[in-house]
Amino acid sequence: QVQLQQSGPGLVKPSQTLSLTCAISGDSVSSNSAAWNWIRQSPSRGLEWLGRTYYRSKWHNDYAVSVKSRIIINPDTSKNQFSLQLNSVTPEDTAVYYCGRSLTLGAAFDIWGQGTMVTVSS
Amino acid sequence: QSVLTQPPSVSGAPGQRVTISCTGSSSNIGAGYDVHWYQQLPGTAPKLLIYVNRNRPSGVPDRFSGSKSGTSASLAITGLQAEDEANYYCQSYDSSLSGSDVVFGGGTMLTVL
Repeated sequence: QVQLQQSGPGLVKPSQTLSLTCAISGDSVSSNSAAWNWIRQSPSRGLEWLGRTYYRSKWHNDYAVSVKSRIIINPDTSKNQFSLQLNSVTPEDTAVYYCGRSLTLGAAFDIWGQGTMVTVSS
Repeated sequence: QSVLTQPPSVSGAPGQRVTISCTGSSSNIGAGYDVHWYQQLPGTAPKLLIYVNRNRPSGVPDRFSGSKSGTSASLAITGLQAEDEANYYCQSYDSSLSGSDVVFGGGTMLTVL
């Protein structure tokens, strides 16, 4: 049974970096058939896909146009997890952040983390 | 403004049938990209309900069904039950000059009367 467990702070100051981690059990971050995603949800922006990391002979990353200049998603094979870094945050980045698995690129998100409410405020 | 358009709300009485539409364009659903549907109960993560237009994951009742035609997709729920009261979201993929992204609908709140 695949599970995703998120961790990270719930409060970040404006202009700082938001950092979250998603630990994987029951699957591998290095899987050749999965992609590991970050998605966020806010009342103003709804559900918004942020990006993904995946391994297909080598590591790949895809990022949403809206955050491409300030996002990094990294896999950590030693801990079987992946992380989100979102730089230069503003109150607009306040949202519930989810990690999720998709089994092929462009496929549905079949497994979700529990969600982390992140507030950007001084 | 979401790339995929859903009605903000729908409602139905127990036992009835409701449908939720998801309207896109030639750069997403109309381009042949698959549509997926999620159910979200308050305070929880979205749960996959329908994948690749019409397929149900194991454990999802056959009261839920999906279809796709042209630039739109639909989710149908028959035999409405009180536990179906939730928010429903469609998801697809969009490819335009500015890039390619996973896209979601704005969500539809289903009220069981």
